[in-house]
Amino acid sequence: AQSVTQLDSHVSVSEGTPVLLRCNYSSSYSPSLFWYVQHPNKGLQLLLKYTSAATLVKGINGFEAEFKKSETSFHLTKPSAHMSDAAEYFCVVSALNRDDKIIFGKGTRLHILP
Amino acid sequence: EAGVTQSPTHLIKTRGQQATLRCSPISGHTSVYWYQQALGLGLQFLLWYDEGEERNRGNFPPRFSGRQFPNYSSELNVNALELEDSALYLCASSLAETQYFGPGTRLLVL
Repeated sequence: AQSVTQLDSHVSVSEGTPVLLRCNYSSSYSPSLFWYVQHPNKGLQLLLKYTSAATLVKGINGFEAEFKKSETSFHLTKPSAHMSDAAEYFCVVSALNRDDKIIFGKGTRLHILP
Repeated sequence: EAGVTQSPTHLIKTRGQQATLRCSPISGHTSVYWYQQALGLGLQFLLWYDEGEERNRGNFPPRFSGRQFPNYSSELNVNALELEDSALYLCASSLAETQYFGPGTRLLVL
């Protein structure tokens, strides 16, 4: 069985300060993990993905995430927030080639304060 | 390269009617996924089609159905519409595990 938990439904940071969006997962397999971003009234865009290669994954727009198996976490970070980062972020766990399942977290809305 | 396209962008129906939503995947992608994003409920998995077959289905009633055509495009049909079916319906396509999303169809049921 698989599950994903995004620990914060809302996160607010000031522009120029670091961003941390937390994600914990549970999986019976070695999963693939993804982060997607959704800007208002838009579809989802892939930020980055982990597929059992390097544990530190770099994505678009300066975001990165670290896979920590011992903590079953895949937190998303960015050193310096920009106003354009305000959006909703989804953590996803997938094992499509094992049990045909892909699970989305409930999302974290990131607010950027000027 | 063209991305995932969905039509229509907006759809207004009344309760009890049927809605048909369409999705064209990225060229070469054989899998299509449908999701419902209703206010306050997050993103919920509806259906997954691969190579023309239904591979998996989310926890939705049978009035939500769909199909995938030989060119891998897909249709989502919602029968006997209810007010709570109002949502953004997102389609995604993939070749492996990475999904690429379309802009969505916003369905409003009055």
